[in-house]
Amino acid sequence: RKEVEQDPGPFNVPEGATVAFNCTYSNSASQSFFWYRQDCRKEPKLLMSVYSSGNEDGRFTAQLNRASQYISLLIRDSKLSDSATYLCVAGAGSYQLTFGKGTKLSVIP
Amino acid sequence: ETGVTQTPRHLVMGMTNKKSLKCEQHLGHNAMYWYKQSAKKPLELMFVYNFKEQTENNSVPSRFSPECPNSSHLFLHLHTLQPEDSALYLCASSQGVKDTEAFFGQGTRLTVV
Repeated sequence: RKEVEQDPGPFNVPEGATVAFNCTYSNSASQSFFWYRQDCRKEPKLLMSVYSSGNEDGRFTAQLNRASQYISLLIRDSKLSDSATYLCVAGAGSYQLTFGKGTKLSVIP
Repeated sequence: ETGVTQTPRHLVMGMTNKKSLKCEQHLGHNAMYWYKQSAKKPLELMFVYNFKEQTENNSVPSRFSPECPNSSHLFLHLHTLQPEDSALYLCASSQGVKDTEAFFGQGTRLTVV
């Protein structure tokens, strides 16, 4: 069974902190990876794609480790508005993207 | 205006009712999806349409019936549902190339009573 595993949290961090999330995927054929953000009672929204070389978008950095089959997301200088659930996603050569259950982040004033 | 719109946003239906969920995408994408999101569970893919043709059906019960009249519209027809079908139903679309990111609608929160 193809799965994506994440620590559900919650991660409670103060404003300005750096926080990191990891997720692992079981399907070694996975070829594309994403992080989505989902606010309470809203739809998931794409945060960033994850490339083999790693990529950065402002305060957010994503890394991929194919050998260990894990993906990470680092958030620097956390803002209150970063509070949300972060979904790790892996795609394996089909139209099907496999979603993790998500990691809940709460940034505290 | 969002790229993917769903109606209704909320729906309460009895187990003997028939209802339909509607999704429309304004992104020029070729693939459309129905996902189910239940509490404490990851998103579950239900159906995939690519260029109006159904390409995936993940063992979904026949009480859920999809319809895709064109690349921009997707429906999910519901009949004789069970209380455990209560969930957030999300429509999504993508360019249609394998493994591209999906863009979601705001979802329909369904309650079956």
